[in-house]
Amino acid sequence: GAGVSQTPSNKVTEKGKYVELRCDPISGHTALYWYRQSLGQGPEFLIYFQGTGAADDSGLPNDRFFAVRPEGSVSTLKIQRTERGDSAVYLCASSPGPHQQKNTQYFGPGTRLTVL
Amino acid sequence: AQKITQTQPGMFVQEKEAVTLDCTYDTSDPSYGLFWYKQPSSGEMIFLIYQGSYDQQNATEGRYSLNFQKARKSANLVISASQLGDSAMYFCAMIITQGGSEKLVFGKGTKLTVNP
Repeated sequence: GAGVSQTPSNKVTEKGKYVELRCDPISGHTALYWYRQSLGQGPEFLIYFQGTGAADDSGLPNDRFFAVRPEGSVSTLKIQRTERGDSAVYLCASSPGPHQQKNTQYFGPGTRLTVL
Repeated sequence: AQKITQTQPGMFVQEKEAVTLDCTYDTSDPSYGLFWYKQPSSGEMIFLIYQGSYDQQNATEGRYSLNFQKARKSANLVISASQLGDSAMYFCAMIITQGGSEKLVFGKGTKLTVNP
């Protein structure tokens, strides 16, 4: 398929462990976004990449969260010392590029993270 | 601060009837974009329709139309001829482009149930 893909679809881990969540954007999309969606809420912004650089990481909740996009395509969201409050669905989206008013973000299926 | 408000936690509609989902927004930026996404129980966010603040006409995409009232800061989604497959969560979102960022701010969503 040509859409945004995310792996794994589900991740169960224990409190204190390290996890990595992967996002593969739509081919050719230069912009990539991570959001977090808690139960019963709308998605909340975490970080925005334009190319390889993080243009806005203001949504990362604390320094346990980090994301990279080394080659401007695939991105990995990394969470250290996971806590039960990190349990949520992590959504990735990509879009063609910045500075276009209709810069539609297309979402992947999400990774459901459960921290026991 | 930019904010999206969806005041209807749940809505019910009979199959083949039309339904309106409410969305109001708050921003001081004269240039903005508004999106509606559908999230079925599978979890993926599906883009439905976009309205730019400077668009002269209300957006339409098939059975979806957006009732954009700029002075009232509302961007209600109208679904015509509802189908059982329209049952899902619906999120209104606004794109924030300040300071080089490109991020969506979402409302809390409305759960739509289409009855046969």
